[in-house]
Amino acid sequence: DAKTTQPTSMDCAEGRAANLPCNHSTISGNEYVYWYRQIHSQGPQYIIHGLKNNETNEMASLIITEDRKSSTLILPHATLRDTAVYYCIHNPNSGNTGKLIFGQGTTLQVKP
Amino acid sequence: KAGVTQTPRYLIKTRGQQVTLSCSPISGHRSVSWYQQTPGQGLQFLFEYFSETQRNKGNFPGRFSGRQFSNSRSEMNVSTLELGDSALYLCASSSREFSGYTFGSGTRLTVV
Repeated sequence: DAKTTQPTSMDCAEGRAANLPCNHSTISGNEYVYWYRQIHSQGPQYIIHGLKNNETNEMASLIITEDRKSSTLILPHATLRDTAVYYCIHNPNSGNTGKLIFGQGTTLQVKP
Repeated sequence: KAGVTQTPRYLIKTRGQQVTLSCSPISGHRSVSWYQQTPGQGLQFLFEYFSETQRNKGNFPGRFSGRQFSNSRSEMNVSTLELGDSALYLCASSSREFSGYTFGSGTRLTVV
């Protein structure tokens, strides 16, 4: 099964950019990188996904290295409400198979 | 657009009983996946249904089963409940047009 490696926890000051790294060295050529976050006791929330190119949406930016073995999720101006567990996953997008393999994720604590 | 709806939100059952959980996906989403989340094991994939057919299955005993109806609503059933089945059960739905997965808020099952 697909495996990713993320730091267990990170702190970030409110208003600063939060950069969350992820190692996915076993990613296959057709697999996308997905990021989700989970705020305590809620279901995971989709943030962003990408294949090769960097991506940006209203929530975050995703930077994928050229060899695709790692990526960084960037929250440009972290707020207290961004405190959550962030999961990086790689998954084939073909057919939208729903088998997401979650690791332990990174607990991001945004501090005032 | 309504999100993924899971019912009930909370449930308390006794060991040996069985339980049925329900998931209504976002309108138009045909893929429904189920996950179990516990403090010790994290988020684990149970199974996925697409057009009433099980498309993927995780590593759970046969006591865990599911089905999907023609309107894409899904149910999962756990028979002969054990204390270790206490968990947050999450449902996610997806469509061909949206590459991410939208999760519901989950059903918190407590087995006593």
